[in-house]
Amino acid sequence: LAKTTQPISMDSYEGQEVNITCSHNNIATNDYITWYQQFPSQGPRFIIQGYKTKVTNEVASLFIPADRKSSTLSLPRVSLSDTAVYYCLVGDTPNRDDKIIFGKGTRLHILP
Amino acid sequence: DTEVTQTPKHLVMGMTNKKSLKCEQHMGHRAMYWYKQKAKKPPELMFVYSYEKLSINESVPSRFSPECPNSSLLNLHLHALQPEDSALYLCASSRTPDNEQFFGPGTRLTVL
Repeated sequence: LAKTTQPISMDSYEGQEVNITCSHNNIATNDYITWYQQFPSQGPRFIIQGYKTKVTNEVASLFIPADRKSSTLSLPRVSLSDTAVYYCLVGDTPNRDDKIIFGKGTRLHILP
Repeated sequence: DTEVTQTPKHLVMGMTNKKSLKCEQHMGHRAMYWYKQKAKKPPELMFVYSYEKLSINESVPSRFSPECPNSSLLNLHLHALQPEDSALYLCASSRTPDNEQFFGPGTRLTVL
């Protein structure tokens, strides 16, 4: 099972770009990289998923280098409402031996 | 309807009680999940149903019993729980086991 390592916490300021890096040295060929956001007392919310290179959607970008041993979630121009825990997950379908496990997450705190 | 609903929002039960948590989605998703989340910890996968069949049981004690009556409903039956089972119980669904998961708001369970 691919294990992920993220910074435990990060602080940033409103309007800044925030980059959260996740390390996954044992990522398997079939594994995708998925990021979720979770606010207190709510369920996680899907942000973005990728396999290689760069993926962008309306809320974030995901950068994955060629060796896929790490990935970086980029949040452009953060606001106070982006304060949350961000989880990086690596895995295949949970229907097979590889399953998706939530890592410890990064607590992002946005300051005014 | 693009959400996962969970009832009840809060539940307090004694160690001899029998109760059930309910989860519902009407997005046509064919995979549904139960997670347990303790305070300031990541969600831990408990069970996965894929096409209404239990496909993963993460060595969860038998006092937790999942049930998937149909493709829209997922139950978690609780019996003889322990105080350490107090946690936020999250339900999620995905279009197939390969896709991103949509989480409900959770049920906050307290076992006295």
